[in-house]
Amino acid sequence: GESVGLHLPTLSVQEGDNSIINCAYSNSASDYFIWYKQESGKGPQFIIDIRSNMDKRQGQRVTVLLNKTVKHLSLQIAATQPGDSAVYFCAENRNEKLTFGTGTRLTIIP
Amino acid sequence: DAGVIQSPRHEVTEMGQEVTLRCKPISGHNSLFWYRQTMMRGLELLIYFNNNVPIDDSGMPEDRFSAKMPNASFSTLKIQPSEPRDSAVYFCASSFKRVGAGELFFGEGSRLTVL
Repeated sequence: GESVGLHLPTLSVQEGDNSIINCAYSNSASDYFIWYKQESGKGPQFIIDIRSNMDKRQGQRVTVLLNKTVKHLSLQIAATQPGDSAVYFCAENRNEKLTFGTGTRLTIIP
Repeated sequence: DAGVIQSPRHEVTEMGQEVTLRCKPISGHNSLFWYRQTMMRGLELLIYFNNNVPIDDSGMPEDRFSAKMPNASFSTLKIQPSEPRDSAVYFCASSFKRVGAGELFFGEGSRLTVL
C-alpha cells in the first residue's frame, strides 16, 4: 500500500550546525504538507506547511522544500539549538485526511 | 488563549473496563480530530468531526470504540470494553478549517494503559 514518511528514525547534529530531516511520500495526489515537532510528553506542534503549488517555503530558522518529481519533502533547521531536540513528523493531506509519517528523532550534540 | 484541553492526562485501567477520554477544542474551531499514537503504528487518525458532525470514522479500530461531539466545545472518545492493545497516547486536535486548509492544534494527549 501507499505510505508516507519513509525517513531515518534518528538524526544527531552538532549544536550550531544545520539539520536536514527528510520525508518521502508516495501519493502524487497529495496537495498539502505539514511538518510537526513533538517534544517528550507533549502533543505535536505545528512548524511549517507547504502547498503542492510551491517548492520552497521559509519560516523562522526553518525551511521546507518540496520536490514533487521525486515525491520528497525536507525540513531544514538552521543553527540547531538544544531546544530543537524532538521527534519531527511530516504529514500529508490525502483525501482530507492528514496522514503522518513515522517520525525522525533529532538529537543535538552539545 | 487556552489550547486544546484533554482529560485525563493519564489513565490506568484493567482489561474490560470502560474508558472515556475527553476533549475541549479551541474556541472557534469547527473541526475536531482524534488520533492514537503508539510506537509501532505512529500517529493514526481515528475519527474527525466538522461542525460537530462525524465526517470520517474509518480509522476507528472496531466497535469497541465510539466518539461523540454533542456540541462545539466538547468531544468524547469511549472504549468499551478496553483491552491491553488499546494502550496508547490518544490525542485530540482541532482546526478552524477542514483538513488541507490549515494546521491542526493538538492537545497534550491522554496516556492510556490497559492492564
